[in-house]
Amino acid sequence: EAGVVQSPRYKIIEKKQPVAFWCNPISGHNTLYWYLQNLGQGPELLIRYENEEAVDDSQLPKDRFSAERLKGVDSTLKIQPAELGDSAVYLCASSFQGGLNEQFFGPGTRLTVL
Amino acid sequence: TQLLEQSPQFLSIQEGENLTVYCNSSSVFSSLQWYRQEPGEGPVLLVTVVTGGEVKKLKRLTFQFGDARKDSSLHITAAQPGDTGLYLCAGAAGNKLTFGGGTRVLVKP
Repeated sequence: EAGVVQSPRYKIIEKKQPVAFWCNPISGHNTLYWYLQNLGQGPELLIRYENEEAVDDSQLPKDRFSAERLKGVDSTLKIQPAELGDSAVYLCASSFQGGLNEQFFGPGTRLTVL
Repeated sequence: TQLLEQSPQFLSIQEGENLTVYCNSSSVFSSLQWYRQEPGEGPVLLVTVVTGGEVKKLKRLTFQFGDARKDSSLHITAAQPGDTGLYLCAGAAGNKLTFGGGTRVLVKP
């Protein structure tokens, strides 16, 4: 069974440029999460989807970050414009609703903003 | 806001030694998960503990959930270089996971 797929794995951009990350969750997982992880720290939730509905986006900086999961499967996270402080790893995870919330993570996208 | 504090933040030991990582909170969680993350990869789930006082063993790893379901520990016996990584605890409340800051473990051969 394929795991959570993320692309790209690495992205280097200049500040003020836009950037987008893509995630395809494990088949059948209806809950999808985007996390931000700074070096040596734990992941911090940005947004959680149940199917196509964003049920928790309280930690998403909505002035520059946006996300979508139009068909309730794959998802895109966008930053526009990027700032130096956005340099981090962006992790996508998925889980099956109703279980113990055991999340399966993709390898992440490492973003460097110059 | 539910906070999980992990200690120590960093642990460096020799191969064959034992180690314990702690995860503490003032909040009660319905379950607690431990993940291990290697450089360039996402966290990988090791175990989920659900019942207060529960102890789970996974080969050389022993996980314990506190009686009050607010804290947990991870003990590794006879650590090996392959145990090197970032260990993360995460408390579950509903569909939300709150992660601790992580403990970086380095096992030197």
